[in-house]
Amino acid sequence: SQQGEEDPQALSIQEGENATMNCSYKTSINNLQWYRQNSGRGLVHLILIRSNEREKHSGRLRVTLDTSKKSSSLLITASRAADTASYFCATDTGSARQLTFGSGTQLTVLP
Amino acid sequence: NAGVMQNPRHLVRRRGQEARLRCSPMKGHSHVYWYRQLPEEGLKFMVYLQKENIIDESGMPKERFSAEFPKEGPSILRIQQVVRGDSAAYFCASSPDRPSGNTIYFGEGSWLTVV
Repeated sequence: SQQGEEDPQALSIQEGENATMNCSYKTSINNLQWYRQNSGRGLVHLILIRSNEREKHSGRLRVTLDTSKKSSSLLITASRAADTASYFCATDTGSARQLTFGSGTQLTVLP
Repeated sequence: NAGVMQNPRHLVRRRGQEARLRCSPMKGHSHVYWYRQLPEEGLKFMVYLQKENIIDESGMPKERFSAEFPKEGPSILRIQQVVRGDSAAYFCASSPDRPSGNTIYFGEGSWLTVV
């Protein structure tokens, strides 16, 4: 799999439920970021978690990072129809001059 | 404070024509990045520039693609002799400092369609 690979590829839930998306990566990272992209729009930065952090919260978002397993998860609690979007993780290896994105999870929240 | 501005938002070109995509970074940002997104895929890095310098172009195709970020004016991504496979969304991003450890901010993208 690629550096920064999300699963599942697609997720469909009812409004009010929680949504969990996972991201796995291969090499050591400096930090990991999650972005949201609405259809036909640009990417919106959600949250950045550094390699020495294990968990971070922002509103209804909770991100965890397990560097031993080289994985991260994004939890959206009490989902809303407006959360429908694609979610991407992006890794920063520190020495690279770029972010490496996964192929994303398409989340659909049904009203 | 305006975000990263890209234009045009949508561009249609015939095979063999040239496409020019422009990007104005956020105010105070001197680092610019171009990414390409093919349908149903994630973003792929193309090039990282600072004013008047290309820092990393490891993601740029060897032919037909070029990028610049002049001292004055926007960054330009230029695609010569476009082919159907160039159809994609091209995103520009900027940051105030080097990318490592910092958030980069994306524009709304330029959607190129080659017919």
